[in-house]
Amino acid sequence: SQQGEEDPQALSIQEGENATMNCSYKTSINNLQWYRQNSGRGLVHLILIRSNEREKHSGRLRVTLDTSKKSSSLLITASRAADTASYFCATDGWNSGYALNFGKGTSLLVTP
Amino acid sequence: DAGVTQSPTHLIKTRGQQVTLRCSPKSGHDTVSWYQQALGQGPQFIFQYYEEEERQRGNFPDRFSGHQFPNYSSELNVNALLLGDSALYLCASSLWGRGVETQYFGPGTRLLVL
Repeated sequence: SQQGEEDPQALSIQEGENATMNCSYKTSINNLQWYRQNSGRGLVHLILIRSNEREKHSGRLRVTLDTSKKSSSLLITASRAADTASYFCATDGWNSGYALNFGKGTSLLVTP
Repeated sequence: DAGVTQSPTHLIKTRGQQVTLRCSPKSGHDTVSWYQQALGQGPQFIFQYYEEEERQRGNFPDRFSGHQFPNYSSELNVNALLLGDSALYLCASSLWGRGVETQYFGPGTRLLVL
């Protein structure tokens, strides 16, 4: 079963705009990660945020985590056409052992 | 430094057949996990291998089995293929005991069952 649920399912923006994706999960976690996937290929790790962190930055990426609401958001600033991809959140926790639990993903389209 | 590699990249099988997928972990990694990603879905954990033993298993039937070799590479075997087994199969390698943050994914093998 999917632990995370991303919102929206699909997002279309123009280059230069910001893109925000949300992820909600059901059970307590140790870490939450965001991955990117281009055209059904392998997963590229973007950023990891631990359960005791509230915000993290990496380049044009900003991730927030609200454990009280069991939710996270990924903000991509100044989007580029190359950011077009599917984005997944993945959680791990004591009840999942070594397995990552992924959501269904958000499909992002950035048009020039 | 080679990352995680998987073979083959694509595969077409018919219902009832058996398939073997292969994964070589990133250099220095000793743990391999397998995930199934159906079209339009997120990856689902199948199982994880360390020291040639299955350490954890997701909600998949016994038709899915695996193996890890002394050089840490791994195989995923699926017997009696069903149409619903059509998916992208992802392999991830990591360092045992070092947490999920060491995990790297391969490019995947796309399996089509006709």
